[in-house]
Amino acid sequence: EVQLVESGGGLVQPGGSLRLSCAASGFTFSSYAMSWVRQAPGKGLEWVSGISGSGGSTYYADSVKGRFTISRDNSKNTLYLQVNALRADDTAVYYCAKKGLGGSGSYSLDYWGQGTLVTVSS
Amino acid sequence: DIQMTQSPSSLSASVGDRVTITCRASQGISNSLAWYQQIPGKAPKLLLYAASKLESGVPSRFSGRGSGPDYTLTISSLQPEDFATYYCQQYYSPPPTFGPGTKVDI
Repeated sequence: EVQLVESGGGLVQPGGSLRLSCAASGFTFSSYAMSWVRQAPGKGLEWVSGISGSGGSTYYADSVKGRFTISRDNSKNTLYLQVNALRADDTAVYYCAKKGLGGSGSYSLDYWGQGTLVTVSS
Repeated sequence: DIQMTQSPSSLSASVGDRVTITCRASQGISNSLAWYQQIPGKAPKLLLYAASKLESGVPSRFSGRGSGPDYTLTISSLQPEDFATYYCQQYYSPPPTFGPGTKVDI
């Protein structure tokens, strides 16, 4: 059974940083691209970042480019998102999700974690 | 980036109703479209991919169709557990983009 479990969210001041983690199990982690998707309170879904199975290719939404860094440790079956220079509009539930069908930079998402809440506020 | 729109933004329906949600992309996306269901407080769940292919375990009352830029999700007979928000997503061209969602309630 595929499981994705996020952690690392919390309350942070504007300008602060966090590292989000996503522990994966139930599939060959290194064989699949992964993404982070966020959802602001009461709002829709926004793709944030993606990474190839090897970690050699990364992709970012314009809204987070230069501030967020996606990475993975295939030996630990864990996906990460380093979020820096946080702003109030980064407040959201952050989901990690596994690649379903599609190409390297854009794909459907067939399994999702339960999400971790990041709140940016002074 | 490809922009996605959905209509309606919300709808009220009853158990047993047939419900159709429309999704339109700002350009043709060659059936590279997924549909997700999100129940409040829960993570999104993949329902269909490639516009019309049912994800494993998803009930057959869900179906999808379309071509070019225009797609639909149909629930043939609404069940109590189907009251949720539905999102379309294109994966034809990076970055992947979502529609704004359609809330289905009683």
